[in-house]
Amino acid sequence: NAGVMQNPRHLVRRRGQEARLRCSPMKGHSHVYWYRQLPEEGLKFMVYLQKENIIDESGMPKERFSAEFPKEGPSILRIQQVVRGDSAAYFCASSPRQINYNEQFFGPGTRLTVL
Amino acid sequence: DQQVKQNSPSLSVQEGRISILNCDYTNSMFDYFLWYKKYPAEGPTFLISISSIKDKNEDGRFTVFLNKSAKHLSLHIVPSQPGDSAVYFCAASARNSGGSNYKLTFGKGTLLTVNP
Repeated sequence: NAGVMQNPRHLVRRRGQEARLRCSPMKGHSHVYWYRQLPEEGLKFMVYLQKENIIDESGMPKERFSAEFPKEGPSILRIQQVVRGDSAAYFCASSPRQINYNEQFFGPGTRLTVL
Repeated sequence: DQQVKQNSPSLSVQEGRISILNCDYTNSMFDYFLWYKKYPAEGPTFLISISSIKDKNEDGRFTVFLNKSAKHLSLHIVPSQPGDSAVYFCAASARNSGGSNYKLTFGKGTLLTVNP
């Protein structure tokens, strides 16, 4: 049973470009959470999605960031017009249902570097 | 405003001894607390948790203690092993109006090094 998959593992973008981060949840999981870890910081909640629905995006920056979890395919975190401050590790977690936090299984993360 | 604080960036202990990692929180609405372990280039792995209705939870070599009045929790690892060397994150959550605790608030982590 494969765990949470994230790709790419490393992504380099120049300022102003777009970054697309993908997350495939564990088999049977329909809930996805995105967290961001800035250098020297803890992980910070960004957004919680179910299939085709955004449930809670209270941690998402107001501009340039968007997330989706389509009926088919992986969840995508999209960052438009990246800036150097977007450089961070982005972690995706999944769970089979929305109850217990300790059922969130994390992927290995995507490390975004903005030049 | 950092709601979950891990004031020790690093901790070094000898193999076989006890490791004690500390965590403080400020949000009195937090009612569930977790510890995650993270190796380099990997995602966090759930280790152990505790509900606010308890003051202790034990799982093998790992024990978490919660002092609600002091808003403090600690993770004890005994005996410590070299394979325990990793970054340990304290996390907390508060039940929302729908009864779910999905939003985790993490501390900055403590790097534990267990020396052979």
